[in-house]
Amino acid sequence: GAVVSQHPSRVICKSGTSVKIECRSLDFQATTMFWYRQFPKQSLMLMATSNEGSKATYEQGVEKDKFLINHASLTLSTLTVTSAHPEDSSFYICSGGGANYGYTFGSGTRLTVV
Amino acid sequence: GIQVEQSPPDLILQEGANSTLRCNFSDSVNNLQWFHQNPWGQLINLFYIPSGTKQNGRLSATTVATERYSLLYISSSQTTDSGVYFCASGQFYFGTGTSLTVIP
Repeated sequence: GAVVSQHPSRVICKSGTSVKIECRSLDFQATTMFWYRQFPKQSLMLMATSNEGSKATYEQGVEKDKFLINHASLTLSTLTVTSAHPEDSSFYICSGGGANYGYTFGSGTRLTVV
Repeated sequence: GIQVEQSPPDLILQEGANSTLRCNFSDSVNNLQWFHQNPWGQLINLFYIPSGTKQNGRLSATTVATERYSLLYISSSQTTDSGVYFCASGQFYFGTGTSLTVIP
């Protein structure tokens, strides 16, 4: 099955700095990956769909300039939280796969902005 | 978008007990999935079940697409079953979740 590796698992950053989260497909080629955000005790909210070699598709209400997504290769998608603020603190999760492999999730990144 | 509601929101079980979790969706879906999120945040696919019934060990799921609901059955629950169970329409619309705690 599809294996997705997400790093870092936990990051603490200062307000105003940028943080990059990586999501790698280890045993399949990921033309599409999904990025989610999850607040404590809440459900997953789809932020954007990352497409290899093209621009990401963002969900309504998600700031494109705040959450930069890059999917330059078939094995790597990145989410950069730019000029992070405390309200950006959350659990971020990526997902990849497809009809042939099924979809699996990364282990998540817990971002704390201080 | 599609609204996905789950019940109950919270559930506490004695180890060995059985339970049924329900997922109602507001519109027709053809790609319903069930996931388990463990206490450390890791999400695991349980079932892809657009219709019918599937079983995997102590877990089984049934989706009645015409009536817009799906059920997840957990039999002989174990403490490792604890966590949050989500249903979702594809990769896009996740339900509100059922938080399950299994006590020894």
